[in-house]
Amino acid sequence: EIVMTQSPAILSVSPGERATLSCRASQSVTSNFAWYQQKPGQAPRLLIYGASTRATGLPGRFSGSGSGTEFTLTISSLQSEDFGLYYCQQYDNWPYTFGQGTKLEIK
Amino acid sequence: VQLVESGGGLVKPGGSLTLSCAASGFTFDNAWMSWVRQAPAKGLEWVGRSKSKSDGGTTDYAAPVKGRIIISRYDSKNTLYLQMNSLTTEDTAVYYCLYHDSSGVDHWGQGTLVTVSS
Repeated sequence: EIVMTQSPAILSVSPGERATLSCRASQSVTSNFAWYQQKPGQAPRLLIYGASTRATGLPGRFSGSGSGTEFTLTISSLQSEDFGLYYCQQYDNWPYTFGQGTKLEIK
Repeated sequence: VQLVESGGGLVKPGGSLTLSCAASGFTFDNAWMSWVRQAPAKGLEWVGRSKSKSDGGTTDYAAPVKGRIIISRYDSKNTLYLQMNSLTTEDTAVYYCLYHDSSGVDHWGQGTLVTVSS
């Protein structure tokens, strides 16, 4: 099974600042990779798929990059609604797997 | 796309439960579908997936649940099922139904809570 490792576990950022979240795969997942955001009591929300394609309606301040084993989610100017839990996920090999999550909190 | 899960609830350890996912807004019989779960205050875990009949109609299961769950689908009713047996407290989670569309986008339902407790 491919292990997805996210860093950092907790990221404290002030509104308006840039946030960079990372995810590493234990083996190559090519570009079969996604980022999700989750708020308490809600289902995960797809942000990025194909490593760099924004989901419909996602603001342009979100961007995804990377391929193979190293991936990054960048939020260029944090808004209050961006705080929450973020998960990475690979869908290159079964079983599909998620990272353990990064909590993005207000500094 | 709309996915509506149902069938969650309280079940005793060792018991069984079947969840349903009613799908609409897409061609269900061509769709790959999955179940993902999330234990309270824990991360996300893929449970299993069901391929479309045109892609073989097979199912794949994650190791922690293999042998205890069966994913099935009733294409004419646009419904996906998750039958769970020999439940333990570790199966307590919100169970989400997912549709994988052809562009690579995953669509999620709102989830149904399964609580395994005596």
